[in-house]
Parts: sequence; structure tokens; C-alpha cells
Amino acid sequence: QSVLTQPPSVSGAPGQRVTISCTGSSSNIGANYDVHWYQHLPGTAPKLLIYGNTNRPSGVPDRFSGSKSGTSASLAITGLQAEDEADYYCQSYDSSLTSWVFGGGTKLTVL
Amino acid sequence: EVQLVESGGGLVQPGGSLRLSCAASGFTYSTYAMSWVRQAPGKGLEWVSTARGSGGYTYYADSVKGRFTISRDNSKNTLYLQMSSLRAEDTAVYHCAKGRGVGLGNWYFDLWGRGTLVTVSS
Repeated sequence: QSVLTQPPSVSGAPGQRVTISCTGSSSNIGANYDVHWYQHLPGTAPKLLIYGNTNRPSGVPDRFSGSKSGTSASLAITGLQAEDEADYYCQSYDSSLTSWVFGGGTKLTVL
Repeated sequence: EVQLVESGGGLVQPGGSLRLSCAASGFTYSTYAMSWVRQAPGKGLEWVSTARGSGGYTYYADSVKGRFTISRDNSKNTLYLQMSSLRAEDTAVYHCAKGRGVGLGNWYFDLWGRGTLVTVSS
């Protein structure tokens, strides 16, 4: 049971927009800790997609965007492409656990 | 090239020990916090441990506290994870990750390695 809750899977057709939610609590996202997002293809190195809730590292397409409100955050992907098919994880810090925490991960399928 | 390369994984019996290494290149290693994050088969990512740039401050997940020890050799740009009293539930791919952020609670991982597989089984 992950501290941050994500839907197990989402899907969309090429060109469509999908969102992935990340729900936390008052000891993590709601405590004003930043949320970060990663893309991971099994067998490869995870890749940072969004840091500090809304910021994209250099090289990440602007099709990826992040937002945060209250105890939740979201990752949006527009103009879906086949290469976006991967697992996506949110991450934050939890003050009750005094540890960095990840969501359970969401598998994105491009139909 | 900016990269992290892990090594040292393998098959170990329950109760045994193993030491993982992570070789860093392409950035000023000593100025960044470094972490280990693992992924058990069929599961999500789980933070394991972090060492600050100087190595003076270290942090551990409750699941490994007292059994795992993180350390770093800044002269060799290498991060280590000494694992002991290993259990079946420690079976996972262990990734090395470079940390960034302002303030402990806002740290994130901006560079990752591909990982090394640790299997704990008799």
C-alpha cells in the first residue's frame, strides 16, 4: 500500500490527452512538499519528467505538464505518442514517515 | 558522459550479505546527495537510503534500517550500499540516483542508473 495513490493504469489513443492523478495526505503533498514525476520503462533507468510540481527538465517535451492542488497532484500528457507508453511515478516527502515516498505507479497504454 | 552505473548484484541466501556499488561520471559528484531506490518484481519504486554530499548525513527507510549501510567515496566518485541480514522481500532491482532540490523535503532524483538485480533466495 503506497503512501501516494495513483491509478494502476490509464490509456489513450495517439494524439489524445491523458492525466495521471497522485493523491496524498496532510503529511506529504498537503504539507506543501513538492511533487515530482518520473517515466520508467522496465529494464531502463527511470527518467525525471517534472520537478517542483510544474517544472520540466531540459529535454522533456512541453507535452508533459504537472500541477498540484491541496493533497493531490496531476501529470498531463497531450498529443499522446506511442513512445509515451511506460510506467509513471509521482514522488514527494512524508513528514510522518520521515522518508521520500513514491506512488504505486501508473501504466500508460497508447492504444 | 553524465551517467550512473551500478554493479554488485547477484543471488544471495537469506541472512546473507552483499555490497552494491554505483560509479558516477560527468558531474561534480561530491556536491550532490546520492540515493538508492529499489523496485521489487511487479512492484513500484521504493526509496531505500540517501547520503548527503559529504557523506556525513545518511537516511534510511524503516524497512532497511539497521541492516543496510550507505556510504560514499568521493575520491572515487562511487556510492555503496552494504546489505546484511538479507530477506526474500529485499529481492529487487536496486537503482542509484542523484539527488537535487532545495530543502530536505523537496529533494528529487534527476539522474538514475539502470540498476542491478539482487535476488535473495535459498
